[in-house]
Amino acid sequence: KAGVTQTPRYLIKTRGQQVTLSCSPISGHRSVSWYQQTPGQGLQFLFEYFSETQRNKGNFPGRFSGRQFSNSRSEMNVSTLELGDSALYLCASSNTGQEHSPLHFGNGTRLTVT
Amino acid sequence: SQKIEQNSEALNIQEGKTATLTCNYTNYSPAYLQWYRQDPGRGPVFLLLIRENEKEKRKERLKVTFDTTLKQSLFHITASQPADSATYLCALNNAGNMLTFGGGTRLMVKP
Repeated sequence: KAGVTQTPRYLIKTRGQQVTLSCSPISGHRSVSWYQQTPGQGLQFLFEYFSETQRNKGNFPGRFSGRQFSNSRSEMNVSTLELGDSALYLCASSNTGQEHSPLHFGNGTRLTVT
Repeated sequence: SQKIEQNSEALNIQEGKTATLTCNYTNYSPAYLQWYRQDPGRGPVFLLLIRENEKEKRKERLKVTFDTTLKQSLFHITASQPADSATYLCALNNAGNMLTFGGGTRLMVKP
């Protein structure tokens, strides 16, 4: 079974621009979560989607948004990029969406904002 | 406020020894706790899950304990190998699949 796939792997953007990141979950997984990882703050939860609905949202500004499609693929968008948005963005899927389900992470998209 | 604390200093041990990593939390009542391994440039990989009513869980050379009174989990790797060198993260659930992660502990196993 193919793992979680995130594209692109690396991205360089300029302040003020917007960016869209893509995530393809493991086949059959309906829950997709997004995390931001930085050296200072570690892994921080952005949001979770289950069956195309946002189920949980972390403490991030409205510039961060996401969506999930009927095939469970997900995208996240960051508008009006700031230098502090430079981070590794990780997507994770799980097979049932229940609380005890382990998360299967992709290898992330490394975003650099200049 | 809620906090998950892992030793931010790297843990250096000799090959063959047992590595013990600590995860302490405050202001949480988690139903379960998970441990993940992360290698540089890669996403975390799930290792073990332990529920609040379980004291101990084992998988091959890995052992996790969960003490809800002390609000602490210990993660042990027995007969450690250089290939075990990585950052290990503990995570607690809030709601749904919303996990809150500790800052991770970097383990270095020297041959």
